[in-house]
Amino acid sequence: DAGVIQSPRHEVTEMGQEVTLRCKPISGHNSLFWYRQTMMRGLELLIYFNNNVPIDDSGMPEDRFSAKMPNASFSTLKIQPSEPRDSAVYFCASSFWDSTSYEQYFGPGTRLTVT
Amino acid sequence: AQKITQTQPGMFVQEKEAVTLDCTYDTSDPSYGLFWYKQPSSGEMIFLIYQGSYDQQNATEGRYSLNFQKARKSANLVISASQLGDSAMYFCAMREVGFNKFYFGSGTKLNVKP
Repeated sequence: DAGVIQSPRHEVTEMGQEVTLRCKPISGHNSLFWYRQTMMRGLELLIYFNNNVPIDDSGMPEDRFSAKMPNASFSTLKIQPSEPRDSAVYFCASSFWDSTSYEQYFGPGTRLTVT
Repeated sequence: AQKITQTQPGMFVQEKEAVTLDCTYDTSDPSYGLFWYKQPSSGEMIFLIYQGSYDQQNATEGRYSLNFQKARKSANLVISASQLGDSAMYFCAMREVGFNKFYFGSGTKLNVKP
């Protein structure tokens, strides 16, 4: 049974370039979350979707960040233009929204470095 | 107000001893779930244990147990018989049914000494 799949696993890009991170949630899950983790700020929730609909994007840092979930099996997080301060590990997680008993399953993360 | 508070940035424990990692939470939702995750140095987030707000008994999973004190709004993780492989960051999290949102604490870095 495949877990949450994220690609790429590592991304190195230059400041000003567009970056697209991809996520495939676990089949059957109806909630998807994007997190960012840095040493300074810890684990931050950027945005989450229920049934492909964005519910809370208050954690998205600024307009340079955007996320989409066109269907139940795919989501993207885009940064345009990227900046060095965007360097972080970006996690995607999925869950089943029915009660409190369903944990989030995390993907392996994408380590983004912006030079 | 912080939804999840972990007051111990770092902790040391001797191998084979038990250790308690603290977590307090804040919610007005009567239905919620509490979770602990482990993040080893390799970076992945590993689910450890879950406690529901209506559960009468404390959750246990192998060497992990959750000391749930509802009135005090605390959900401490107890690791018995620590092993070197337990050295990692540990995150406490809460999920409220109403918003289906997970809140994570700042984490506790546990170091197990041989």
